[in-house]
Amino acid sequence: EDQVTQSPEALRLQEGESSSLNCSYTVSGLRGLFWYRQDPGKGPEFLFTLYSAGEEKEKERLKATLTKKESFLHITAPKPEDSATYLCAVHPLGGGTSYGKLTFGQGTILTVHP
Amino acid sequence: GAVVSQHPSRVICKSGTSVKIECRSLDFQATTMFWYRQFPKQSLMLMATSNEGSKATYEQGVEKDKFLINHASLTLSTLTVTSAHPEDSSFYICSASPRTGVEKLFFGSGTQLSVL
Repeated sequence: EDQVTQSPEALRLQEGESSSLNCSYTVSGLRGLFWYRQDPGKGPEFLFTLYSAGEEKEKERLKATLTKKESFLHITAPKPEDSATYLCAVHPLGGGTSYGKLTFGQGTILTVHP
Repeated sequence: GAVVSQHPSRVICKSGTSVKIECRSLDFQATTMFWYRQFPKQSLMLMATSNEGSKATYEQGVEKDKFLINHASLTLSTLTVTSAHPEDSSFYICSASPRTGVEKLFFGSGTQLSVL
C-alpha cells in the first residue's frame, strides 16, 4: 500500500526565514510525486511534478527535490503570502484503474509572520 | 492553463435531502475524474474514480448507494450525496486527468457541504 508522510505538521516562520518541508513516501513504483498548495476553503493548486531521483524544479521562492525515499520543498526567504497548507502526493506506476489516482500526505501547515 | 470547475462552492441542506455536485473540465477532455473528501485539518481521501461511460470505482469503505457518481460526458462528472446526514458534512473536491498525461492533475475549487 502506498504511503506518504509529511513533516512537520505545522511550521511557523518569520518573513525571510528559509526552511524545508519533508515528504517521505513508500510506493511500489513511482510514476510521479506531486506538490500542491492549498488555501483554506479552496482546492489544491498545482506546484510541481517530480519523476525521478535527483530531479529538481523551481518556481519563485519554492524549490522541490526528489530522492528515492523522500522529497523536499525548500522555501527561500518566504513571505506572508506563502502561508498555506502544502500537500505532497504520489502517483503509482501502472495504468488502468490506478491512472491519475493520487495518495496524499496529511500536509504541512505553513505560517509566515511579517 | 487547464481548469476544472466545481459547483456549487458551498451548500447547506436539511438532513434526508440529496445534494448534487458538478465537476467540469473546461478546456480538456477527461476520461477519468476523481472525487475526494477532506475533513477539517486533514488531507484528501480518495472516495471514487469516475470513468466516462462506465460505472464508477469506489474506494473501500465508501458507500456506493450514498455517493452516486455519474460521468456522462468527457467534460462532466457529478457526485450526488443521497439522503444526506450531518456526518456527511465535509469538503468535497474533484480532480480531472487529461488524456495526454499526468504531468498535472487539476483540482476543482471544492464544495463545502453542511447538513443540518
